[in-house]
Amino acid sequence: GAVVSQHPSWVICKSGTSVKIECRSLDFQATTMFWYRQFPKQSLMLMATSNEGSKATYEQGVEKDKFLINHASLTLSTLTVTSAHPEDSSFYICSAPDGGRYEQYFGPGTRLTVT
Amino acid sequence: QKEVEQNSGPLSVPEGAIASLNCTYSDRGSQSFFWYRQYSGKSPELIMFIYSNGDKEDGRFTAQLNKASQYVSLLIRDSQPSDSATYLCAVMGGKLVFGAGTILRVKS
Repeated sequence: GAVVSQHPSWVICKSGTSVKIECRSLDFQATTMFWYRQFPKQSLMLMATSNEGSKATYEQGVEKDKFLINHASLTLSTLTVTSAHPEDSSFYICSAPDGGRYEQYFGPGTRLTVT
Repeated sequence: QKEVEQNSGPLSVPEGAIASLNCTYSDRGSQSFFWYRQYSGKSPELIMFIYSNGDKEDGRFTAQLNKASQYVSLLIRDSQPSDSATYLCAVMGGKLVFGAGTILRVKS
């Protein structure tokens, strides 16, 4: 299957600071990538759809000014959590569909802890 | 009603038995159905996908889809302790929607 990487795998930051998470498709090009958030013992919740060369599409209830998404190339999307607060602590996972296929391949995830 | 529903479990089966995981969905327009396995602290891993009614087999895994009844299931034959994980059902309509997952425990 296709390979998606994320960096960093975990990060601890102080409240009020910003954190950038990178998502890369390693062996395929992805015009679309998806960002999910998963709280403990809960399922994945789609936050936003990242579109290469255009603005991201955010799900209802997700603050676009707080979760900045940039998809500058066909292999890289970034999620920046601005002015992070402890309630933003979560497992952030990106995914990308492989070309014209419907299957989505997930990155390994980034565990964010805001102190 | 949730869009994708799964029994949270845990479902406990002995090693070597068949594990049966079920999922129902509400959107009749859904076209693609996926099963992901997620180990604790890890991201989901795609196991199976199915688009057409009927069964699809891949090794020890069989996905079953019944669009009329709006359910999709996953059978795991010869269950192994390493199969112990949370299994997520996901349904693609306009976007991929996940169920809450079923915890599977295979006891040796």
